[in-house]
Amino acid sequence: AQSVSQHNHHVILSEAASLELGCNYSYGGTVNLFWYVQYPGQHLQLLLKYFSGDPLVKGIKGFEAEFIKSKFSFNLRKPSVQWSDTAEYFCAVKSGGSYIPTFGRGTSLIVHP
Amino acid sequence: DTAVSQTPKYLVTQMGNDKSIKCEQNLGHDTMYWYKQDSKKFLKIMFSYNNKELIINETVPNRFSPKSPDKAHLNLHINSLELGDSAVYFCASSQQGTGANVLTFGAGSRLTVL
Repeated sequence: AQSVSQHNHHVILSEAASLELGCNYSYGGTVNLFWYVQYPGQHLQLLLKYFSGDPLVKGIKGFEAEFIKSKFSFNLRKPSVQWSDTAEYFCAVKSGGSYIPTFGRGTSLIVHP
Repeated sequence: DTAVSQTPKYLVTQMGNDKSIKCEQNLGHDTMYWYKQDSKKFLKIMFSYNNKELIINETVPNRFSPKSPDKAHLNLHINSLELGDSAVYFCASSQQGTGANVLTFGAGSRLTVL
């Protein structure tokens, strides 16, 4: 069965700091990987996704994530965060044998101006 | 045009009541979902329908009954509401197949049970 771990539950940064949020998954076969973002009071939106090809994926708003198969990881990064990046970030994985993606518990990011 | 729309957005009710939340998507997707997000933001799948057929039914009390009259609609009916049902319920949709598995979420329905 697929599972997802997000190790950082709460992250607090100052504007312009660099960000890296960890995401590890358990499934050993082919996977589709996602990061979703939920801004305060809003619904989840897709930030970026990996299906195949270049393991470094660029998303919206300057975010990127790197798929490292040997580490079962798909960490999210941004070189310089802004106050408007304050949100919940969810990693999700869908394995070949599963019908739907499984979500991690989420990471709450607070960026101080 | 809203892609995935849920109504109502807010719902406050007493314990023991029965309530429904409606969801509609205009994306032409063939699969719809209900997720529950608790106070700690944990997102848990409840149900999934593909072309009106139930395909995922996680461990959810049978007080929760989904209904999909057509592939564009997935409603959630909850009987005998309990305090623990208070949460935000998100509807989502996707299209199965190549490039699939990307979920489009609705704005959420915040249910408060008093």
